[in-house]
Amino acid sequence: DSGVTQTPKHLITATGQRVTLRCSPRSGDLSVYWYQQSLDQGLQFLIQYYNGEERAKGNILERFSAQQFPDLHSELNLSSLELGDSALYFCASSSRGSGALQETQYFGPGTRLLVL
Amino acid sequence: DQQVKQNSPSLSVQEGRISILNCDYTNSMFDYFLWYKKYPAEGPTFLISISSIKDKNEDGRFTVFLNKSAKHLSLHIVPSQPGDSAVYFCAASAETGNQFYFGTGTSLTVIP
Repeated sequence: DSGVTQTPKHLITATGQRVTLRCSPRSGDLSVYWYQQSLDQGLQFLIQYYNGEERAKGNILERFSAQQFPDLHSELNLSSLELGDSALYFCASSSRGSGALQETQYFGPGTRLLVL
Repeated sequence: DQQVKQNSPSLSVQEGRISILNCDYTNSMFDYFLWYKKYPAEGPTFLISISSIKDKNEDGRFTVFLNKSAKHLSLHIVPSQPGDSAVYFCAASAETGNQFYFGTGTSLTVIP
């Protein structure tokens, strides 16, 4: 158990809909990262938040947005969903508080999203 | 554009033998590399890392080798155990970058 929690574990929705994925980092961790893993793909970095502020952005679509709240949990919002958005979405958190890239990241179990 | 590649989707090894998982990268700016292990229904777990100032890093049964000129790294597991059966991802980053780039993973099966 990494200490990172993600809800829900599974989500089935229809094209055009909007969903929110939730992540609670390990206690004390200030950085949260979001990744997408599509079928037969590696993990694609989406976005990083550090202590409530956006720190880094990767291949995140404009239809997707994220935020980190004062209690440090984070939400990833996916809107106007398309079939191709079906994937595993992982959240990770890191510990040292500097938000430096080379900190060890601890991953949650993921949310499996299926868009029909 | 896949900057980190794991060309073997799967690997089977007998228990007690060596497992060698390979990873190639294209970006010469990458200077930090990691291996993650992932069991089904769980998130990836950090296994071992290596900085570009080294060419080898060991942690128990796990050793990572880095060949910068070939832009290649490998993970050796000796001896392999059934509990090592998992998907292994390599990842790379550049000091000046803002993200890790992951490979597509290699599924290792250790046969008892």
